Amino acid sequence: GENVEQHPSTLSVQEGDSAVIKCTYSDSASNYFPWYKQELGKRPQLIIDIRSNVGEKKDQRIAVTLNKTAKHFSLHITETQPEDSAVYFCAATDSWGKFQFGAGTQVVVTP
Amino acid sequence: DSGVTQTPKHLITATGQRVTLRCSPRSGDLSVYWYQQSLDQGLQFLIQYYNGEERAKGNILERFSAQQFPDLHSELNLSSLELGDSALYFCASSGAEIQETQYFGPGTRLLVL
Repeated sequence: GENVEQHPSTLSVQEGDSAVIKCTYSDSASNYFPWYKQELGKRPQLIIDIRSNVGEKKDQRIAVTLNKTAKHFSLHITETQPEDSAVYFCAATDSWGKFQFGAGTQVVVTP
Repeated sequence: DSGVTQTPKHLITATGQRVTLRCSPRSGDLSVYWYQQSLDQGLQFLIQYYNGEERAKGNILERFSAQQFPDLHSELNLSSLELGDSALYFCASSGAEIQETQYFGPGTRLLVL
């Protein structure tokens, strides 16, 4: 089955700096890669996703890049703000459509 | 609001007891997924149902079971509860296609004393 590794486990950045979270996956058949943001005690919320037919997608301060050959994808947050502080999860779908989530990255944005 | 609802929001019970968690998917979604999230842990996939039938199984204990009803709502049954079962239980739903976005409900916080 699919295996997703996510790094780093914690990330501390100064407000205004950029944050990058990286994930690798194992199943070459995976075609869909969502990113979720989870604030403390709340539900995971989709913030951006990418499918295998594109290499990059951007939505305001958030971007995701995908390298299918190397089987890795990354989340980029620019001009970080305190409200970006949360846990971020990447995921990849296996051939059956089942999500395999990464272990999560705790992002702390300090003013 | 994702459109996925879960009840109850909180549940406090004792070891050895049995509880039922309920989930209603977004309108039109056929798939329901259950996840367990323990304190400071990631999302552990438990089980998936699609249009009433079990589609995939993850790390679900034998003490746990689930079903999806004809109206597509789902229930997760947890029995012989142990202290370690205390966690947030999320339900998510998605549409008919494979590799579709999953939308999460607000979760049920279970505390086993």
